[in-house]
Amino acid sequence: EVQLVESGGAVVQPGGSLRLSCAASGFTFDDDTMHWVRQAPGKGLEWVSLIGWDGGNTFYADSVKGRFTISRDNSKNSLYLQMNSLRTEDTALYYCVKDKGGYDGLDYWGQGTLVTVSS
Amino acid sequence: QSVLTQPPSASGTPGQRVTISCSGSSSNIGSKTANWYQQLPGTAPKLLIYSNNRRPSGVPDRFSGSKSGTSASLAISGLQSEDEADYYCAAWDDSLNGPVFGGGTKLTVL
Repeated sequence: EVQLVESGGAVVQPGGSLRLSCAASGFTFDDDTMHWVRQAPGKGLEWVSLIGWDGGNTFYADSVKGRFTISRDNSKNSLYLQMNSLRTEDTALYYCVKDKGGYDGLDYWGQGTLVTVSS
Repeated sequence: QSVLTQPPSASGTPGQRVTISCSGSSSNIGSKTANWYQQLPGTAPKLLIYSNNRRPSGVPDRFSGSKSGTSASLAISGLQSEDEADYYCAAWDDSLNGPVFGGGTKLTVL
């Protein structure tokens, strides 16, 4: 059974930093592209970032480019998101998501970890 | 403002057929396949339709998808109360180098 378990969400002040983690199990982690997708309270889904199977390719939404860094450790079956210079608009539930491959969507989602940016 | 455009709400009575539209552009739906997600209240999204019209294992055949040009549609037949949820369309976007989502459609079963 595929499992994605996020952690690291917290309340942080504007300008602060946070590192999210995602522990993956139940599939061959180093075969798959992985994503972070976020959802602000009461709002829709927003793609944040993706990383290729070997960490060689990374892409970011314009809203987080230059502030967030995605990474992975295939030896630990783990995905990370380093978030710097946080803004109030970054407040959201952050999901760790597995790519199905071939532009066929995102087939497994974690339950999310909540990041609240507030003074 | 979402890259893909969906109606904010839709409704139907049990047993009815409901469709939800999704409009994109040449850099996403027009050149890539459309996918749909269902988000039940208080839960994570779930892949409902991929590659325009394919269902993952376990998704009932009451759910179907289609694509034409830069638009896609999700149809739900034999509407049931448990179908009440938010539905999101999505597609890879060549300009963004990542997936884009619609703003979501809240489906109410009357």
